[in-house]
Amino acid sequence: QKEVEQNSGPLSVPEGAIASLNCTYSDRGSQSFFWYRQYSGKSPELIMFIYSNGDKEDGRFTAQLNKASQYVSLLIRDSQPSDSATYLCAVKSVRFGAGTRLTVKP
Amino acid sequence: DAMVIQNPRYQVTQFGKPVTLSCSQTLNHNVMYWYQQKSSQAPKLLFHYYDKDFNNEADTPDNFQSRRPNTSFCFLDIRSPGLGDAAMYLCATQSSGANVLTFGAGSRLTVL
Repeated sequence: QKEVEQNSGPLSVPEGAIASLNCTYSDRGSQSFFWYRQYSGKSPELIMFIYSNGDKEDGRFTAQLNKASQYVSLLIRDSQPSDSATYLCAVKSVRFGAGTRLTVKP
Repeated sequence: DAMVIQNPRYQVTQFGKPVTLSCSQTLNHNVMYWYQQKSSQAPKLLFHYYDKDFNNEADTPDNFQSRRPNTSFCFLDIRSPGLGDAAMYLCATQSSGANVLTFGAGSRLTVL
């Protein structure tokens, strides 16, 4: 079982819609979870991190963590074409999933 | 601005010809990581330094070596590149006690 698993997509949503990205992890003892955005040919950049169960909101982005079910998700509200990228989930800060490729269509 | 700088951005080498990629940082972070990322795949951790302490991932091939002569610099040496080593190589830094990684722009390696 991979340490971090994500649906590779691609996920396509229309502009203005909510994009929902999911990630599951295998180590029940994991304490920290991160979402990075990676544009094609570029390096990852941090969007959000979450340590506690529940929701954490930052602008149009909401991270959701459920430790009992071992999943973490990222919601992007009012999706914009500029949000089109690959979104990487990271657990324990250094272990990455393969990423979900998101396309937001105008 | 404080940052993580990788050189070269693009490197073309021949099969079996050694390559060195460099990473420098002005953040004074004591942890430095090297990742390999192939197309549509997760960044794969190769090794990291905690200060001068070197930590190799169990599945990192012997063909990959690293040096960290001081806090600011870290090098990735690929002794005999194969076609399968063509990838983007990412350097990242982290301050101890913090969890967030700061990435460089990456070095894209092509092996002919």
